[in-house]
Amino acid sequence: QQQVKQSPQSLIVQKGGIPIINCAYENTAFDYFPWYQQFPGKGPALLIAIRPDVSEKKEGRFTISFNKSAKQFSLHIMDSQPGDSATYFCAASMQGGSNYKLTFGKGTLLTVNP
Amino acid sequence: GAGVSQSPSNKVTEKGKDVELRCDPISGHTALYWYRQSLGQGLEFLIYFQGNSAPDKSGLPSDRFSAERTGGSVSTLTIQRTQQEDSAVYLCASSLGQIMVEAFFGQGTRLTVV
Repeated sequence: QQQVKQSPQSLIVQKGGIPIINCAYENTAFDYFPWYQQFPGKGPALLIAIRPDVSEKKEGRFTISFNKSAKQFSLHIMDSQPGDSATYFCAASMQGGSNYKLTFGKGTLLTVNP
Repeated sequence: GAGVSQSPSNKVTEKGKDVELRCDPISGHTALYWYRQSLGQGLEFLIYFQGNSAPDKSGLPSDRFSAERTGGSVSTLTIQRTQQEDSAVYLCASSLGQIMVEAFFGQGTRLTVV
């Protein structure tokens, strides 16, 4: 049973566009939601994370929107650049992120064309 | 080293053979994690080591999988009698404490079983 569903599987945008990646979770015990960025041949790296007590968090060009009642959260990349082309994973954790087991979505391959 | 180092980067093995994957964590990091990334799938938790505590092996998919961590540093993941479904990228991560979201990932070992 997949506990975190991520969509779309792949996404192509033009430079300057705003790609949006969506995730939905089922387990209401999840209380920490990180996003990871992974370049080819590299391990994932933490990009940004949110707790359910806020509806939005912004770091630079990356914004997470969170809808607790719908159990959904999404990543927006403002003014996307070709260097943002990567695979993005959403994840969920319990105990405020201190739990060492993360449940990941299947990933979204983002391509930003010049 | 500056980051988490995994070896080999790529491994092709014949079905039925045993393989060993190595992880050198960041110096001083007490927590070490193994995750598996299958094609088109998100990351899947395998095993967690924290200091001298007993490891959490609950994510290991079968008894053909085992892992150890010697001297609280280097870890080896062993897969016995490899099967084609074991083909995946095996990722290791380490962190100072048990907070997974603060962990740094290695580049992974791509295992192909033919």
